[in-house]
Parts: sequence; structure tokens; C-alpha cells
Amino acid sequence: NAGVMQNPRHLVRRRGQEARLRCSPMKGHSHVYWYRQLPEEGLKFMVYLQKENIIDESGMPKERFSAEFPKEGPSILRIQQVVRGDSAAYFCASSPGPGIGGANVLTFGAGSRLTVL
Amino acid sequence: AQTVTQSQPEMSVQEAETVTLSCTYDTSESDYYLFWYKQPPSRQMILVIRQEAYKQQNATENRFSVNFQKAAKSFSLKISDSQLGDAAMYFCAYRNPWWDDMRFGAGTRLTVKP
Repeated sequence: NAGVMQNPRHLVRRRGQEARLRCSPMKGHSHVYWYRQLPEEGLKFMVYLQKENIIDESGMPKERFSAEFPKEGPSILRIQQVVRGDSAAYFCASSPGPGIGGANVLTFGAGSRLTVL
Repeated sequence: AQTVTQSQPEMSVQEAETVTLSCTYDTSESDYYLFWYKQPPSRQMILVIRQEAYKQQNATENRFSVNFQKAAKSFSLKISDSQLGDAAMYFCAYRNPWWDDMRFGAGTRLTVKP
């Protein structure tokens, strides 16, 4: 059981470039959550997805940020035209989904650290 | 490999009583940070308390305190005078000193009975 896999672990981008962060949920999990952690702060909820569907994106910035969880492949958090304020750790978590045993238990990945120069 | 272990999937406490949530971790570092996060149904992760490993004094935040046993690699959370609003998932987390590795436990679901 490989757990939640995130990559890259570290990503460096220059201002204006695009950042793509990937998350492969635990086997059997169909729901993915993305969180952002700024230095010295807690984790802030960004978006909650299931396969091919965004359930809740209330924490996503209105511009430049998007997320997807396609039928095949990992979930992608995409940040266009990055700015220095985007520098943070981005965590992904997965769960089996509502109505399934343990549905509310999130399993977290190790995070992806984005540095914007 | 699992770095942070929370051995209690679920805990229950009577309102106004005290409850302790367990957490153990594994590291070869001498300096690191430990956290307890609370996750209510909103899915937001709320930082409850943090502990720097180099500090011997246990951290406290109002009704929340920790018992940090560095040699035993144990970091338990004590909630005093439990309130209904304390009901949530609680995650223990470890972070290395370079901010490039943060590990979470599986979580403990706390129920508070009126």
C-alpha cells in the first residue's frame, strides 16, 4: 500500500511560469483534497475533487489556480503565472468517499514544496 | 514507512471531562517540530498546538496541552474541560527542521458527549 504519492517533492519556478503538482491517491480512494500551507501557518483547504468532478472549490483562489482529477491518472493542481506569494507547501490527501467505511479519514501525502524565485 | 502513528482511530469524552489523544513518531533528527491539527466538518485544518523539539517545556494553548516525551518519541494531546465544539478529527504531524518534510498521522476522531 503505497499511500498518497505526491510529486515533485520540490519544485522551483520563476515568476510567470506554470507549476503543476501531482497527487496519486491511495489505492481504493476516489476522493482527493488539496491543502496549502504557508510558512508558520496551518493547512488551508483549497479544493475537494472526485474523479472527473469538483465537489468543493471554495478555498481555491479565483485566478491562476485550477485542479482536476481525471478518470485516469493523478490529480493535478495547476498554478499559472506563479508569483512569489505562491511559495508554499501543497498537501494532498485522499479518502474513500462518503458512505464508505472510513470515508471521513483523510490520508495525507508528504507534500510538494513550491519555491517561486 | 509510517513516521507518525496515532493508535486511537476513535475516542469519546463526556462534556467537561478531560481526554488524551496519543501520538508517536519516528525520526533520527534531534531538532524538529510537532503539531496537532483539528479538522472539523468544514475540512479546514486548524492548528491546535505546536511544539519545538528543542524546548523541554510542554506547549499549552488554553484548554489544550501536550505531553512531549522526546526520548520516547511521544507527543500526546490533552484536552481539558471538553466542549461540544471540540468534536472533530485530530491529526498529529511531524515536520523536519528544513520545512521540506511533513508527515501526518492517520487521525483520531473525537466525539464529545453532552
